[in-house]
Amino acid sequence: GAVVSQHPSWVICKSGTSVKIECRSLDFQATTMFWYRQFPKQSLMLMATSNEGSKATYEQGVEKDKFLINHASLTLSTLTVTSAHPEDSSFYICSALYETQYFGPGTRLLVL
Amino acid sequence: AQSVSQHNHHVILSEAASLELGCNYSYGGTVNLFWYVQYPGQHLQLLLKYFSGDPLVKGIKGFEAEFIKSKFSFNLRKPSVQWSDTAEYFCAVNAGGTSYGKLTFGQGTILTVHP
Repeated sequence: GAVVSQHPSWVICKSGTSVKIECRSLDFQATTMFWYRQFPKQSLMLMATSNEGSKATYEQGVEKDKFLINHASLTLSTLTVTSAHPEDSSFYICSALYETQYFGPGTRLLVL
Repeated sequence: AQSVSQHNHHVILSEAASLELGCNYSYGGTVNLFWYVQYPGQHLQLLLKYFSGDPLVKGIKGFEAEFIKSKFSFNLRKPSVQWSDTAEYFCAVNAGGTSYGKLTFGQGTILTVHP
């Protein structure tokens, strides 16, 4: 089946630094990828839709200047959390669209 | 904006018991409906989906779900659960008829099956 990977699986960073998370579709090409955020004991919240070769579409309330998304190829989308703060600590999950959405394993971010 | 509500946060069953997890959504138009499962330590996997046609859909691992339009519901069922079904289950809705597009997830239901 279709496999989506994320890297890193977890990251700890200092407040004020930027963190980049990669989402790759390993055995298929994905024009569209999605980025979600999941807080403890809560559901997945869609942050943005990433389209290859164009600007990402952000959901209401998501700061596009803080969460930079780049979908430079059909197999890679990146999410950069800029100037991270402790409140950005969360579990970030991506999915790639290929007839249906295939989800990555997630990246746990802890900002100290 | 659409929303999805799952009735139970945590369900505990013994093996061989029957399972029904509730899911209701709020959206008046065309919807595509999904159930995803997340086993411990693994990523989300698609259990089943409904787009149109027969409102009773069958998925993997013996799961099925019934779409009742009048009740805005898409409940997940399994006649006899196994210990290996222990996982968290998410109902999701894609509104507006855009296939496989943006998903709105429910809060999730943790299922614990005791052997």
